[in-house]
Amino acid sequence: GAGVSQSPSNKVTEKGKDVELRCDPISGHTALYWYRQSLGQGLEFLIYFQGNSAPDKSGLPSDRFSAERTGGSVSTLTIQRTQQEDSAVYLCASSLASSGSPITDTQYFGPGTRLTVL
Amino acid sequence: AQKVTQAQTEISVVEKEDVTLDCVYETRDTTYYLFWYKQPPSGELVFLIRRNSFDEQNEISGRYSWNFQKSTSSFNFTITASQVVDSAVYFCALRRNTGNQFYFGTGTSLTVIP
Repeated sequence: GAGVSQSPSNKVTEKGKDVELRCDPISGHTALYWYRQSLGQGLEFLIYFQGNSAPDKSGLPSDRFSAERTGGSVSTLTIQRTQQEDSAVYLCASSLASSGSPITDTQYFGPGTRLTVL
Repeated sequence: AQKVTQAQTEISVVEKEDVTLDCVYETRDTTYYLFWYKQPPSGELVFLIRRNSFDEQNEISGRYSWNFQKSTSSFNFTITASQVVDSAVYFCALRRNTGNQFYFGTGTSLTVIP
């Protein structure tokens, strides 16, 4: 079946502009994660959605970052007034659920969106 | 606080050599989960293994093996008889039993030279 898809694959924007990044999780996966991967760094957790529960936004670096997940499926990560330090690869992952089960909590990652802020 | 350390930033080996990627983690939780992911040049992270904290049995899958030692808080990954296709960045990660966050290390870039 189809994996996690993300669009666009690359985005170049000017400082101060807003950008939207899209994630389409694997069908049936209720948990969705956004991460940021900067050059030479590990994956930085940004936000997590689980079903209809309130999202875990504890990883968002500033109030310029926000995310939505409509209908429990597609998610959009929005960065307002982009800054050069926002340049990174933004990765989305989904899992069946979030629990202590090997079947459900293993994450499957999308190919990422490479964001470059000039 | 949770932390995952992958001290090896880059490793180069010649094809057919064995290589071990180190992962050391920090947590005060008694129940937690450890993962390894592979990120090939194409960029998409690929799940390799998941290990529960209460199961210290080592695991072997083909040329891959994992050595989990709670006493040293390590979860090392060995590739036997490395191949060029093994060239990638490998990430170790920890997930707590509660909460939703995964804590990733900074990755080890492995280059297998033909």
